Amino acid sequence: DADVTQTPRNRITKTGKRIMLECSQTKGHDRMYWYRQDPGLGLRLIYYSFDVKDINKGEISDGYSVSRQAQAKFSLSLESAIPNQTALYFCATSDPGQANQPQHFGDGTRLSIL
Amino acid sequence: KQEVTQIPAALSVPEGENLVLNCSFTDSAIYNLQWFRQDPGKGLTSLLLIQSSQREQTSGRLNASLDKSSGRSTLYIAASQPGDSATYLCAVRLSSGGYQKVTFGTGTKLQVIP
Repeated sequence: DADVTQTPRNRITKTGKRIMLECSQTKGHDRMYWYRQDPGLGLRLIYYSFDVKDINKGEISDGYSVSRQAQAKFSLSLESAIPNQTALYFCATSDPGQANQPQHFGDGTRLSIL
Repeated sequence: KQEVTQIPAALSVPEGENLVLNCSFTDSAIYNLQWFRQDPGKGLTSLLLIQSSQREQTSGRLNASLDKSSGRSTLYIAASQPGDSATYLCAVRLSSGGYQKVTFGTGTKLQVIP
């Protein structure tokens, strides 16, 4: 089984819908991250969490919210999806011994907003 | 604002060749630089992390170098194999601003032809 699991892997939905992307990890890491990847742009940080009580905004948090339900679970929500949120979304965790930077990535969720 | 550039965007080489991938960054006040590979439909896999005080790091057939003063890093792949085909990304973390200040390049897509 993968260490970082994202569900769903693919999602097509309509403008205005509420969407939740889920991430779970079995690595026991406290730190978790959500990124989006767009063609021609590097990965951009949406939110990150250092533990269940510590959630921080990243570079592009507008239009997104997150929930850290447990150490192992970190969900990303789009309250009212819009087409420019179409992207590939990644969840990641970090090993405290590796400068606290994301090291372990899920396989991504490809999200299309029509 | 840190800008990270990876040129070329795509590279095709015959199997067995040694090759170099490039990563340039505009702000030399970095904390570290990390190289990842991304396979189609998969997340990122961390390859090497170089601290700002280091000049290079090696892992198997991979060698990454860092020249802060010129704002450049290279990833050297020896004796390339078809299994090396992937997109290679570099990510640069600034010295100030904490974890949020990690900027990803857009990657070089490598194809190794058997």
